[in-house]
Amino acid sequence: NAGVTQTPKFQVLKTGQSMTLQCAQDMNHEYMSWYRQDPGMGLRLIHYSVGAGITDQGEVPNGYNVSRSTTEDFPLRLLSAAPSQTSVYFCASRSSGTSGANVLTFGAGSRLTVL
Amino acid sequence: DAKTTQPTSMDCAEGRAANLPCNHSTISGNEYVYWYRQIHSQGPQYIIHGLKNNETNEMASLIITEDRKSSTLILPHATLRDTAVYYCIVRSSPFTGGGNKLTFGTGTQLKVEL
Repeated sequence: NAGVTQTPKFQVLKTGQSMTLQCAQDMNHEYMSWYRQDPGMGLRLIHYSVGAGITDQGEVPNGYNVSRSTTEDFPLRLLSAAPSQTSVYFCASRSSGTSGANVLTFGAGSRLTVL
Repeated sequence: DAKTTQPTSMDCAEGRAANLPCNHSTISGNEYVYWYRQIHSQGPQYIIHGLKNNETNEMASLIITEDRKSSTLILPHATLRDTAVYYCIVRSSPFTGGGNKLTFGTGTQLKVEL
């Protein structure tokens, strides 16, 4: 049982390039989300999804796109990378089947540098 | 969601209990208290959560005051591997609407030393 798997672990981009951060979970979780974490700051929610075909914006969605075609996968796309998107990105998932439990399982993170 | 206030940092001797406080004076009746931790460079890890009763699991204990305006996470015998940032989060049940978002603040940096 792998949990939440993020790829790549490290990536360096030039300004204006596009790329996709991959996130996959094998726990049949309905809810998936993407956070970014910058030095000295807490995690900020970028986008989230409550199920296949349903996505919504978080606190800091600008510059990022998501889609959810399957329950397992929730990729995060950077359309035109900017230095301000240099950050560590975390994907998380949880089951919506347990009342009162916002127990997120996080991936190991993807460290992105935009030059 | 209610706002939480935590100390920026705390130190604890290895083998001693680490008591991490959290203030959530504006918590409402349907909001739970969650604790996560983040060991350096890793993804956050769920620790424990509770509504109004004290809770204990294999990792920690959670003590919530009777008025629910504050709580304390207790690591009974801290080890060097417990050095991490600890986040206290208040959130309503996902089934009461308002989305499914957990708001992580800056947390408490716990340093466990020999």
